[in-house]
Amino acid sequence: DAGVIQSPRHEVTEMGQEVTLRCKPISGHNSLFWYRQTMMRGLELLIYFNNNVPIDDSGMPEDRFSAKMPNASFSTLKIQPSEPRDSAVYFCASSSSGGAQTQYFGPGTRLLVL
Amino acid sequence: ELKVEQNPLFLSMQEGKNYTIYCNYSTTSDRLYWYRQDPGKSLESLFVLLSNGAVKQEGRLMASLDTKARLSTLHITAAVHDLSATYFCAADPNTGNQFYFGTGTSLTVIP
Repeated sequence: DAGVIQSPRHEVTEMGQEVTLRCKPISGHNSLFWYRQTMMRGLELLIYFNNNVPIDDSGMPEDRFSAKMPNASFSTLKIQPSEPRDSAVYFCASSSSGGAQTQYFGPGTRLLVL
Repeated sequence: ELKVEQNPLFLSMQEGKNYTIYCNYSTTSDRLYWYRQDPGKSLESLFVLLSNGAVKQEGRLMASLDTKARLSTLHITAAVHDLSATYFCAADPNTGNQFYFGTGTSLTVIP
């Protein structure tokens, strides 16, 4: 299996621009998670989906952030407009509701907002 | 909300020494996960502990779970430099698939 796939791996943008991060979960997994990691705040859960439905978005910082999962194999996290404080590494993870339910993480997108 | 605390946050140890990282969580959880993160990399699953008394070992690392004490430990035996990384524990409160992560323990093994 290819594992969780994220794109882009690196993104540099200017304040005010729209940023879209993409994630393809492991085939067969029905849960998908978006995390943000910074030195100051550590690893934060932003939102997660079960069977393509958003279950908990309480971690989404503000209305500038939105996430969608139109089908079982694709999800996006959008920031509009972006701000310098959004600079972080964004991870997508997926898991299966059966078995050990381990979350498998993608390689992350390193975002820098200037 | 489930709270997960790890200690120590930073650990510097000499090669060949033993040490233990502790992971405490605040509410009932039967599942505990350990991850490793190398600098600039993603999180890699190390261990999955699914019941009270569970013990898993891989090389110089051994993880255990005591659900009654709400405590998991990651024991390092005869540390080597390759073990230098940040280690996270995560608890699943049995209310869905959401994990609650600890703050991580940054381990540096000094030759």
